[in-house]
Amino acid sequence: GQQVMQIPQYQHVQEGEDFTTYCNSSTTLSNIQWYKQRPGGHPVFLIQLVKSGEVKKQKRLTFQFGEAKKNSSLHITATQTTDVGTYFCAGRSGNQFYFGTGTSLTVIP
Amino acid sequence: GAGVSQSPSNKVTEKGKDVELRCDPISGHTALYWYRQSLGQGLEFLIYFQGNSAPDKSGLPSDRFSAERTGGSVSTLTIQRTQQEDSAVYLCASSASGGPLLYNEQFFGPGTRLTVL
Repeated sequence: GQQVMQIPQYQHVQEGEDFTTYCNSSTTLSNIQWYKQRPGGHPVFLIQLVKSGEVKKQKRLTFQFGEAKKNSSLHITATQTTDVGTYFCAGRSGNQFYFGTGTSLTVIP
Repeated sequence: GAGVSQSPSNKVTEKGKDVELRCDPISGHTALYWYRQSLGQGLEFLIYFQGNSAPDKSGLPSDRFSAERTGGSVSTLTIQRTQQEDSAVYLCASSASGGPLLYNEQFFGPGTRLTVL
């Protein structure tokens, strides 16, 4: 069945270091969304990628959608303590969104 | 309302009991999703409603789970004969549109934390 794998599961970085999380799907996706969930909170939408090879930036965050529309990445430059949380990708196939298992980011001041 | 609301926020029940979880989506949003999130895990898709169309129930884990959406707005997720493995946070999300051109963000509610003793 459809699977979306996300790595790493956990990441600890010093404040100021960069961070990347990767998302891989077993099948082609029509689009992919990224969400951030703070501890104790609910997922909050960050961005949506639709086109093959698409790259979008939001300040220090860079999102990429692979050419085959099967993988995606989120890169944070110069992390800050406010970046703490779990980052989920969600790939759409048909009517369903398949969420990755998430990457929990800890930023050490 | 300003966002997606869910009730109750917490529910503790005994094994074998039925529970009902409610979701009020953002007004005007035609798409509604239910997800389940176990501790430290990702989101597991349960069911999807789009307008007045028949729901996509393909994610429901067993026939003990059912959901309805009345009048294209409020949704209720029902779990019959609850089991301990049903313990999780149940999240509802709504989106401005659905169907094959679903390219809109999902707005999540705060979730209902279900504990089955």
